[in-house]
Amino acid sequence: SYVLTQPPSVSVAPGQTARITCGGNNIGSKSVHWYQQKPGQAPVLVVYDDSDRPSGIPERFSGSNSGNTATLTISRVEAGDEADYYCQVWDSSSVVFGGGTKLTVL
Amino acid sequence: EVQLVESGGGLVQPGGSLRLSCAASGFTFSSYWMSWVRQAPGKGLEWVANIKQDGSEKYYVDSVKGRFTISRDNAKNSLYLQMNSLRAEDTAVYYCASQWLDGWFDPWGQGTLVTVSS
Repeated sequence: SYVLTQPPSVSVAPGQTARITCGGNNIGSKSVHWYQQKPGQAPVLVVYDDSDRPSGIPERFSGSNSGNTATLTISRVEAGDEADYYCQVWDSSSVVFGGGTKLTVL
Repeated sequence: EVQLVESGGGLVQPGGSLRLSCAASGFTFSSYWMSWVRQAPGKGLEWVANIKQDGSEKYYVDSVKGRFTISRDNAKNSLYLQMNSLRAEDTAVYYCASQWLDGWFDPWGQGTLVTVSS
């Protein structure tokens, strides 16, 4: 089965740029989606189809996908961005999530 | 307003059964694949099962095959998950979510907690 690999944690200072990676075999050939989850809340979609943003998601959130790595980039990080982030793909009728990355705003 | 509301969670003994429901409103339920996703305490997200718009295709994660059954009633805008032979490792918050074209989930319900313990 397909495996998505994320770093367990990423730390960044307010105002800086956070990059969260999602590794998978030839992931560049798949559509990657990203979710934000804050404690005690349901996940929220922040990027879909590699780089599209749902309505209501700030432009500070962007995504890219090439080769074996997809990346969620959060520009001008704010304290409110502190959360767990998950990448996800739909592969051969099976849904796969990455293990999640905890973003800490220093 | 687009909304998904899960119900049916609770405490159940190992080997027991539980049926989860998800009521959809604010969108054309019958036009979307639907999924169940779970999250064990302190752990990440795990996809459980999904079902095509007309119920003709269903897929499951290996760990629940033969024990869980996903179904839907488009007339009632409802999604279900029948869970049998429950195990301690099935303990989790279960979310329902609508699944779009290339497989992304939006929106999600608020989740319902299932605890399997004696």
